[in-house]
Amino acid sequence: DIVMTQTPLSLSVTPGQPASISCKSSQSLLHSDGKTYLYWYLQRPGQSPQLLTYEVSNRFSGVSDRFSGSGSGTDFTLKISRVEAEDVGVYYCMQSIQLPYTFGQGTHLEIK
Amino acid sequence: EVQLVESGGGLAQPGGSLRLSCAASGFSFSGNSMHWVRQAPGKGLEHVSSISNNGDSTFYANSVKGRFTISRDNSKNTLYLQMGSLRAEDMAVYYCARYRVAGYGSGSDIYGMDVWGQGTTVTVSS
Repeated sequence: DIVMTQTPLSLSVTPGQPASISCKSSQSLLHSDGKTYLYWYLQRPGQSPQLLTYEVSNRFSGVSDRFSGSGSGTDFTLKISRVEAEDVGVYYCMQSIQLPYTFGQGTHLEIK
Repeated sequence: EVQLVESGGGLAQPGGSLRLSCAASGFSFSGNSMHWVRQAPGKGLEHVSSISNNGDSTFYANSVKGRFTISRDNSKNTLYLQMGSLRAEDMAVYYCARYRVAGYGSGSDIYGMDVWGQGTTVTVSS
């Protein structure tokens, strides 16, 4: 199975300040079709996970432009340009290049 | 509105069985692969099982292989997970999720698991 490793596991951020989460995969997520199968999700307290970005850097419909994804191969980053109170929750990266799809351990973001 | 609604969770004894359902609406159910993802209390997300859009292909995580069976009824827009030989470690919230691919070939967008249900809770205890 592909292992997804997120850092840090927790973040405490002042509103208006940026935040960054790293995700590293144990194998390249670049497929022979030229696409990279890396996704970011946010699970707000008491809610289901919701898709933030797909194929590394594409924001999903309705997602704030404060969120941006980047990276390639095995190293990826989710950045929040200015953290707001509604960003509180657990962020997960996920790969779907190989079954089983695997998730990072999750990064807890809290507001200072 | 695109929606997934899970049901069927509850209390089961160790060694017992449960059948989860996931009712889909607002999209072409038969056009998407579907997945079950679970989350044990206070833990992260674990991909449990998948089924192709027509049901011909299935996948199971090693942790549930031989005990769980995924199926779908495209005429009823419903996904199922038959859970047997339940163990304490199967206790979790179970989510169904749609895996969406839009378009074809190099011009396609791979959205991944873009729609999730609200989850149904499975408790395994004597």
